[in-house]
Amino acid sequence: EDQVTQSPEALRLQEGESSSLNCSYTVSGLRGLFWYRQDPGKGPEFLFTLYSAGEEKEKERLKATLTKKESFLHITAPKPEDSATYLCAVNSGGSNYKLTFGKGTLLTVNP
Amino acid sequence: EAGVAQSPRYKIIEKRQSVAFWCNPISGHATLYWYQQILGQGPKLLIQFQNNGVVDDSQLPKDRFSAERLKGVDSTLKIQPAKLEDSAVYLCASSLAPNQPQHFGDGTRLSIL
Repeated sequence: EDQVTQSPEALRLQEGESSSLNCSYTVSGLRGLFWYRQDPGKGPEFLFTLYSAGEEKEKERLKATLTKKESFLHITAPKPEDSATYLCAVNSGGSNYKLTFGKGTLLTVNP
Repeated sequence: EAGVAQSPRYKIIEKRQSVAFWCNPISGHATLYWYQQILGQGPKLLIQFQNNGVVDDSQLPKDRFSAERLKGVDSTLKIQPAKLEDSAVYLCASSLAPNQPQHFGDGTRLSIL
């Protein structure tokens, strides 16, 4: 059974304090790893898709990387508006792209 | 472009009652998904449609949950009868195709008393 484990469950940073979120996965044949951001009371917002080990994607202060067993979401010099829950998901349905989500990491950035 | 629309935003019912949720996907999106998100958990896929056909409903509790997508556009998800453990946020998502990013609506928060 495909599994996605995110750590830490919660992370509190000071504004400007860089850090990383981890997503480890077990899946039979990765067909894509996805990062989403979710604000309270909102649906998840798509950030990145990674397909192969060594791939990296960047967007503003966020950079996602992928290895054969895990993905990292690096946050550089975060701002309070980066506070949200970050969700990781893997495609476990082959060509149907069935996503299996982790529980998420709740990030709080204090001013 | 307009996002995925869902209604209602909130619903409170008593156990054993029925409830229905509505979703209007982004225009032109052929693939539509319903997810259940329990507090503190990631979304769990309930059912996936490609146009108006069901692709995957393996995690849908079919004794009480049903879903349809008429004419390959709007979709409804129904629970009958509701149980206490159905309290969750029900999210609808759509994508241009299965291999494209999924875009989510803001969900319906269901509380069962």
